[in-house]
Amino acid sequence: NAGVTQTPKFQVLKTGQSMTLQCAQDMNHNSMYWYRQDPGMGLRLIYYSASEGTTDKGEVPNGYNVSRLNKREFSLRLESAAPSQTSVYFCASTLWTGSSYNSPLHFGNGTRLTVT
Amino acid sequence: DQQVKQNSPSLSVQEGRISILNCDYTNSMFDYFLWYKKYPAEGPTFLISISSIKDKNEDGRFTVFLNKSAKHLSLHIVPSQPGDSAVYFCAASASMRFGAGTRLTVKP
Repeated sequence: NAGVTQTPKFQVLKTGQSMTLQCAQDMNHNSMYWYRQDPGMGLRLIYYSASEGTTDKGEVPNGYNVSRLNKREFSLRLESAAPSQTSVYFCASTLWTGSSYNSPLHFGNGTRLTVT
Repeated sequence: DQQVKQNSPSLSVQEGRISILNCDYTNSMFDYFLWYKKYPAEGPTFLISISSIKDKNEDGRFTVFLNKSAKHLSLHIVPSQPGDSAVYFCAASASMRFGAGTRLTVKP
């Protein structure tokens, strides 16, 4: 049981390049999330998908797009990377019952992205 | 807008003593809170939670207290152990928002 798997673990991009961060979970969760972690800022929500077929913006969506490929997979795309997007990116998932978000999030181990 | 705030970036305590980590929130509609623990190079992991219908929840050495009138919660770790050294995040479930985290160092 792998939980939440993120690939790649590390990536260096030049300004303007694009890339897709991959995330897959095997816990049969319906809700998935992308966060970024920056020093002094904690975890900030980029986008989330409450259920397969839906996506919504979080706190800091600018410069990102997402795709909920199926129930297991939720990808994050940077179309034109900027140095401000240098961060550690975490994918998470949980089971949303439809009435509350009280189930804990399960996180992957992160992707460390550097944009030069 | 910082809906969930952890105003202490770091805390250092001696092994065996109590660690108290604090968290404040702004939205009185929040009704469920969680604490996560994060080690370096790993993702956060769930530690303990509390519903607004309670004012205290215990799990072993970890206790979370909720003061709804003050919009404040705290995590108590007793006794603290060196393995507790990590970054601790509080989160409000409904908003999926996290605080900035508090780095706890427990000295042997």
